[in-house]
Amino acid sequence: DGGITQSPKYLFRKEGQNVTLSCEQNLNHDAMYWYRQDPGQGLRLIYYSQIVNDFQKGDIAEGYSVSREKKESFPLTVTSAQKNPTAFYLCASSSALTYEQYFGPGTRLTVT
Amino acid sequence: EDKVVQSPLSLVVHEGDTVTLNCSYEVTNFRSLLWYKQEKKAPTFLFMLTSSGIEKKSGRLSSILDKKELFSILNITATQTGDSAVYLCAVRLTGANSKLTFGKGITLSVRP
Repeated sequence: DGGITQSPKYLFRKEGQNVTLSCEQNLNHDAMYWYRQDPGQGLRLIYYSQIVNDFQKGDIAEGYSVSREKKESFPLTVTSAQKNPTAFYLCASSSALTYEQYFGPGTRLTVT
Repeated sequence: EDKVVQSPLSLVVHEGDTVTLNCSYEVTNFRSLLWYKQEKKAPTFLFMLTSSGIEKKSGRLSSILDKKELFSILNITATQTGDSAVYLCAVRLTGANSKLTFGKGITLSVRP
């Protein structure tokens, strides 16, 4: 089955802790993205990567970090520097041919 | 700054009604506009529009782009309760960069 997986579905953390969200795809897509979704805010781009070992900041990168060591994987770390980390996080990928983005099921992060 | 504005932000209709969802944009170097449907988790792709005046259709859903007036509409005829979702509009710019800029989304509720 081709697709994008994100884990875990729900994640709870205490304030001050770093947390890493997983995103894996087997669609052979070159580009991968991380978005944050808050109620009434639509999707806001955190980071994106167009090829392995390269990534760019999106519109709200502060307090987040990523790596892209493998084509299939694009993990996102939410650091303690992120002031409002509680949100729904979506990962997506796209091919260079169509640019249509396919989304994973998301991870809901709650920080208390 | 690139902007994508969707309206209305929410609406409630009854089964069988026809709805029109709006998306306007102010961006430099427009390439294409995409519509997604988001029910609970992952947004799913509906349409990608690149050329003005050419309607894209899939069952009861259709969409059209006006590049002169910088907007797109998504029409849903004979609505069903299963159409209840958040409808997201996104714009892609020209260039090698494949990232999307999303609007805030329109929450559609279809009552039986």
